[in-house]
Amino acid sequence: GQNIDQPTEMTATEGAIVQINCTYQTSGFNGLFWYQQHAGEAPTFLSYNVLDGLEEKGRFSSFLSRSKGYSYLLLKELQMKDSASYLCAANRDDKIIFGKGTRLHILP
Amino acid sequence: DARVTQTPRDKVTEMGQEVTMRCQPILGHNTVFWYRQTMMQGLELLAYFRNRAPLDDSGMPKDRFSAEMPDATLATLKIQPSEPRDSAVYFCASGLATPPGNEQFFGPGTRLTVL
Repeated sequence: GQNIDQPTEMTATEGAIVQINCTYQTSGFNGLFWYQQHAGEAPTFLSYNVLDGLEEKGRFSSFLSRSKGYSYLLLKELQMKDSASYLCAANRDDKIIFGKGTRLHILP
Repeated sequence: DARVTQTPRDKVTEMGQEVTMRCQPILGHNTVFWYRQTMMQGLELLAYFRNRAPLDDSGMPKDRFSAEMPDATLATLKIQPSEPRDSAVYFCASGLATPPGNEQFFGPGTRLTVL
């Protein structure tokens, strides 16, 4: 979706850590969202980064590098309920553009 | 508790028929978005409104789609005539402002199937 790239699928083990990367086109960039979407449900907001650096919220952290057009979502102490799609979205020129999402599979 | 509502939740229709989807944003939110989600394209922004005024509908096929906000508590997305390629889940989301990009709250979606 309009130059927002993230891996299609990832697999990790319960209790482990996983990092989901996202790259985006930097023109007109204002900020970067991460959303979680369980199968058959609506996306739910996880984080929004405007400034460079790492923001931590419990088991989830999000990182942004504006100069590199790069972000990642870090999930720690993975639980089975974290199996979902994770959507990266750029706030660009007053529009929110979503990537196609990364489907995360958690193995017991 | 405050949430975005959408009706209908599921719609099956035949090609050529008119489809109207409705959304009630969270009370007090001044920005409303319409998205379409398919496996192939992911989540695509169709249109959005701020204070009921359309700000951008460039993501929407203009010949058959139209979006309106007749009042602050109702947003509609209409497809006329519908085509099989319109089959998707249509999400409405509301928020307080964009940019700087406050959180958007998504409704449960309308699953549209056009036969």
